[in-house]
Amino acid sequence: NAGVTQTPKFRVLKTGQSMTLLCAQDMNHEYMYWYRQDPGMGLRLIHYSVGEGTTAKGEVPDGYNVSRLKKQNFLLGLESAAPSQTSVYFCASTQGWGVNQPQHFGDGTRLSIL
Amino acid sequence: AQTVTQSQPEMSVQEAETVTLSCTYDTSESDYYLFWYKQPPSRQMILVIRQEAYKQQNATENRFSVNFQKAAKSFSLKISDSQLGDAAMYFCAWDTDKLIFGTGTRLQVFP
Repeated sequence: NAGVTQTPKFRVLKTGQSMTLLCAQDMNHEYMYWYRQDPGMGLRLIHYSVGEGTTAKGEVPDGYNVSRLKKQNFLLGLESAAPSQTSVYFCASTQGWGVNQPQHFGDGTRLSIL
Repeated sequence: AQTVTQSQPEMSVQEAETVTLSCTYDTSESDYYLFWYKQPPSRQMILVIRQEAYKQQNATENRFSVNFQKAAKSFSLKISDSQLGDAAMYFCAWDTDKLIFGTGTRLQVFP
């Protein structure tokens, strides 16, 4: 039972390069989320999805795009990476909203932009 | 704006002692949920305890309990009989349809 799997775990990019982070969940969850974690700032929501084919902006969406073409996958794209996007990225999923539906997190992706 | 505040960037406790981590939040919602997550050096986000806002009774999970004061918008975490494995970052989070996290408290446990 893999839960939430993030690919890759580490990546170094040059400014201006593009890349896609993949999040895959095997729990048939409806809701999926992308967060970034910076030192001293906790986790901030970038984008989220409430079901296949849907996406919505979170707290810090600028510079990122997302897609949810399949229910089990949620992709986070950086079209033109900037040093300010150096961070640890977490994906999470949940079946719904509520105390009995806590979010399940992946192990994170450490992304460095030079 | 809906915010979650953890005013203690760092806390320390001796093994077997009790420690309380503070969390306050600001919302006009009446129905919501509150969570504490633990993040050890491995970076995993581990759910510690959860609380429904409409329940007066404080949640308890083994050595972990909360003091939920809805009127004061306070949600503190008490760790009893602290163990070395409790050392981690602890995040308070408030949930309507998406989680809002606090900035975290780093807990050190000394033998």
